[in-house]
Amino acid sequence: KAGVTQTPRYLIKTRGQQVTLSCSPISGHRSVSWYQQTPGQGLQFLFEYFSETQRNKGNFPGRFSGRQFSNSRSEMNVSTLELGDSALYLCASRRGGSDTQYFGPGTRLTVL
Amino acid sequence: KNEVEQSPQNLTAQEGEFITINCSYSVGISALHWLQQHPGGGIVSLFMLSSGKKKHGRLIATINIQEKHSSLHITASHPRDSAVYICAVGRDNQFYFGTGTSLTVIP
Repeated sequence: KAGVTQTPRYLIKTRGQQVTLSCSPISGHRSVSWYQQTPGQGLQFLFEYFSETQRNKGNFPGRFSGRQFSNSRSEMNVSTLELGDSALYLCASRRGGSDTQYFGPGTRLTVL
Repeated sequence: KNEVEQSPQNLTAQEGEFITINCSYSVGISALHWLQQHPGGGIVSLFMLSSGKKKHGRLIATINIQEKHSSLHITASHPRDSAVYICAVGRDNQFYFGTGTSLTVIP
């Protein structure tokens, strides 16, 4: 079974731009969660989608948004990028009813 | 205050040593996870615990729900165990992470 995939793996943007990151979960997994990892803050929960609905949201500004499609693939969008948004963005998928998450390799975003 | 506290932050060990990483949490949880992150960013889920003890190879994870504490043990440590180990707790469909323990095992 293929693992969680994320695209792109690396991205460089400038302040004020927007960015869309993509995550394809493991086949059969309907839950996709997004996380931000920075050296200063560590791993932080962004949001979780389940069956195309946002189920939970972490403490991030409205510039961070996401969506999930009917095939469970998910996208995350960050608008009006700031330097502090430079981070590794990880997504993880899990089966409904299970707590075990499977992480993707991450997208490393650099904002200049 | 973080919901999840890990100790130590950094750990250097000689190959073969027994290693313990600790995690304390302050909220009620549905499950606790131990994650391993190698340089380059890839995260692997090692264990998910809601009670008791689990063992996988040289890795052992324990949890004490009453004391809100978990430990990750590595027996006969090896340089390939060098990584960041992260404790995460699940609660209300959200996850809260410790800041991680950076482990270096020297040959």
